[in-house]
Formats: sequence, structure tokens, C-alpha cells
Amino acid sequence: DVKVTQSSRYLVKRTGEKVFLECVQDMDHENMFWYRQDPGLGLRLIYFSYDVKMKEKGDIPEGYSVSREKKERFSLILESASTNQTSMYLCASSVTGFSYEQYFGPGTRLTVT
Amino acid sequence: AQKVTQAQTEISVVEKEDVTLDCVYETRDTTYYLFWYKQPPSGELVFLIRRNSFDEQNEISGRYSWNFQKSTSSFNFTITASQVVDSAVYFCALSEGNQGGKLIFGQGTELSVKP
Repeated sequence: DVKVTQSSRYLVKRTGEKVFLECVQDMDHENMFWYRQDPGLGLRLIYFSYDVKMKEKGDIPEGYSVSREKKERFSLILESASTNQTSMYLCASSVTGFSYEQYFGPGTRLTVT
Repeated sequence: AQKVTQAQTEISVVEKEDVTLDCVYETRDTTYYLFWYKQPPSGELVFLIRRNSFDEQNEISGRYSWNFQKSTSSFNFTITASQVVDSAVYFCALSEGNQGGKLIFGQGTELSVKP
């Protein structure tokens, strides 16, 4: 059974804190993705990674960074959390290529106060 | 520029009704894939179907069917005899050949099926 796990389902942080969201997949997938989901906006891509130590900016990378030191793990970092980063964060993984579906984790609902 | 539009924000039906979720896409690529995902209240997106740009055959899977029409750039999803368990947010997404696996999502349609 394929699995993408995220470190927390719910997280509450204060403005200015450094926040780490962790994602782990057990499918040996090359590609990993971080999205945020907001009502009325669908899912928007923050960053993605094609391989270990490789990363590319998505559509809304401002205020975020990522780390991929191991193939199975992809971390999203909010360097200094702000209230406009309150959102649902979804991690996904897929095999290489544009024709393959992505597998999603359960999401982390982050609230920044 | 690539774009996916799901004009229906919310749909409410009564159980056993048929319902169609619309999806319109824009792309300049000739090679692309279209996807539908379901997001139940638990939050995890579940893959439903993939269709490539060279295959316009309609697909049926149980109570679900998909109608892909390149002439209108649409990839609509129909649920026949809807059930309460179909209540979820449904997303349509586009993947282009030169984008390395990135998905462009529509805004989502929230379907509510009432008993």
C-alpha cells in the first residue's frame, strides 16, 4: 500500500517562528511536491524536487524554502511564519514523467497566530 | 498559458441523482494529461483517472464516467446515481509534456449529496 505521510495533521505557530513541515514517502518516487490549498484557489505549487538535493520553485515560493537530503523525505520550511501562511499544506510524490499521477499525504493544517 | 477552470464552486444534489462536474482547460501543448482527484472530508486527495491528449475515448468506471472533448477543451466528470459517500471536493488537473510532472489544478468543486 503506497504511503505519503506528513509529520502533523494540525499545527499552530506564532508569527515569526521558523516552521518545519516534513513529508515522507515509501514508494521510492523521484518527484516530490509541496502545495498549499486555500478556499476558492485550489492547490498551488510551492516547490518541487526531481531528485535528492534538487529543487525548483513552483508558482508561489515566496516565504518558503525546501530541503531534500534523502530521496524519501521532502521538507518545507517557513523561515519566518506570517499569518498569510495560514493554510492547508499538502505533500505529494510521483514517479518521473508528466504522465503519472501524484500520490498525496493527508495534509497539515497550519495556523499562524 | 496553462489554466484549469472548474466553474462550479459548489453543487448540492439528492441521493440517486446524476451529477456532472465541469472542467475546462487551456494549454498550448499538443501532449498533455488530464486528471481528476477526489478530496473527501479526511483531506487526502485520491486519484480517480488520467487521460492523455491523444485518447478521446470516454471512460466508465462503475458509477463514474468521464467525457473528454478536445474540441471544447473539456474533461467533464459524471457521477450516476450519486451516493452520500460521493460528498467531497473534486479537482481537475492538467499536466503538460514540458513541465516535468507538475500539475495545474482547478479551483475544485464541492459536491454535497444529501440523503
